[in-house]
Amino acid sequence: EAQVTQNPRYLITVTGKKLTVTCSQNMNHEYMSWYRQDPGLGLRQIYYSMNVEVTDKGDVPEGYKVSRKEKRNFPLILESPSPNQTSLYFCASSLSVQFLRGYTFGSGTRLTVV
Amino acid sequence: SQQGEEDPQALSIQEGENATMNCSYKTSINNLQWYRQNSGRGLVHLILIRSNEREKHSGRLRVTLDTSKKSSSLLITASRAADTASYFCAVMDSNYQLIWGAGTKLIIKP
Repeated sequence: EAQVTQNPRYLITVTGKKLTVTCSQNMNHEYMSWYRQDPGLGLRQIYYSMNVEVTDKGDVPEGYKVSRKEKRNFPLILESPSPNQTSLYFCASSLSVQFLRGYTFGSGTRLTVV
Repeated sequence: SQQGEEDPQALSIQEGENATMNCSYKTSINNLQWYRQNSGRGLVHLILIRSNEREKHSGRLRVTLDTSKKSSSLLITASRAADTASYFCAVMDSNYQLIWGAGTKLIIKP
């Protein structure tokens, strides 16, 4: 089944403890992106990647890191999480933005930083 | 920055009625997309309309695009309880970036 898989689904952590949220897609998509969703704010892009080894900042990149060493994986790293990073996170992928297709989203990771 | 703006923010209708949601934007676009999100779940792509298209259909969904007014509408006909969800429009700008609105929460009453 074609899908974007995020793990974990839920995570509670403490301030300052490094964490990684994994994202993997099995559709050979070139484009991948991370979003956070907060009540009343819609989706805000954190980072995106047009292809392997190519990553760019989105609207809210502060406090996050990403890497794209392989086409299928696009992990989101919080080196020192803070409570304002408590949010619902989504990974998404698309064949290629130039092909003007819709995005496939993962099921989300609900992160709480205490 | 958020450029897609949905209207209304919330909509409650009876099952069987039609639901219309609107989206306005500010930039020039490559395409406009609509997504559905069930509570706390991932977004599901519904339909994409290109900037040179004016109307598109998919099952019970009808999307219109008016680039002169920088607006789009999503019509769901013969609504069902399963249509209860939040609906988001997203515009893809000339840099191929997808810019999202804050969504319309649709409730279908049985």
